[in-house]
Amino acid sequence: NAGVTQTPKFQVLKTGQSMTLQCAQDMNHNSMYWYRQDPGMGLRLIYYSASEGTTDKGEVPNGYNVSRLNKREFSLRLESAAPSQTSVYFCASSDHSGIVQYFGPGTRLTVT
Amino acid sequence: EDKVVQSPLSLVVHEGDTVTLNCSYEVTNFRSLLWYKQEKKAPTFLFMLTSSGIEKKSGRLSSILDKKELSSILNITATQTGDSAIYLCAVEMSSGSARQLTFGSGTQLTVLP
Repeated sequence: NAGVTQTPKFQVLKTGQSMTLQCAQDMNHNSMYWYRQDPGMGLRLIYYSASEGTTDKGEVPNGYNVSRLNKREFSLRLESAAPSQTSVYFCASSDHSGIVQYFGPGTRLTVT
Repeated sequence: EDKVVQSPLSLVVHEGDTVTLNCSYEVTNFRSLLWYKQEKKAPTFLFMLTSSGIEKKSGRLSSILDKKELSSILNITATQTGDSAIYLCAVEMSSGSARQLTFGSGTQLTVLP
């Protein structure tokens, strides 16, 4: 099992460009999450999906959209990137009966 | 506003030392508290605590929850350089359709040889 995978690992964007971060899990988990991690601020929840077909906003959703494509895949889209979105993005998944979340390796995004 | 606060923010020790990391929380509808270890990349799960006073242990690491004091500690004995990492505390609250976590900002532990 690969667990949670994310692509790309690194990305540099110019202000105003768009991109989609991809996440997939092979653990048959129902819930999936997107976080961003900035220095000194821990992990902040952007969006989550409790199950296939549902998505909800987290703490910092502005400037992002998500798609739960199927049970395995949960993508995060930046429509018009801003320097404030420079961060490390983590995807995570958990089974609906448990709170333990399993994280992907992260995507380091820089917006210039 | 829900808050999870970790202290200290950073800590430098030598191999063999014992360290205690703290996590305090002010949240509504507390359900559980989790500890994660983050080395270069993804956070990895260490412990989940739901009941006060019951110690969870894994090798040299142990953790305990105090619901009266709204806090938890993570102890690492006989530290090794491989323990160098950011240690994250997260609290689960009852809300929304998925079970969500609110993370503290982490404690950066550096263990010197």
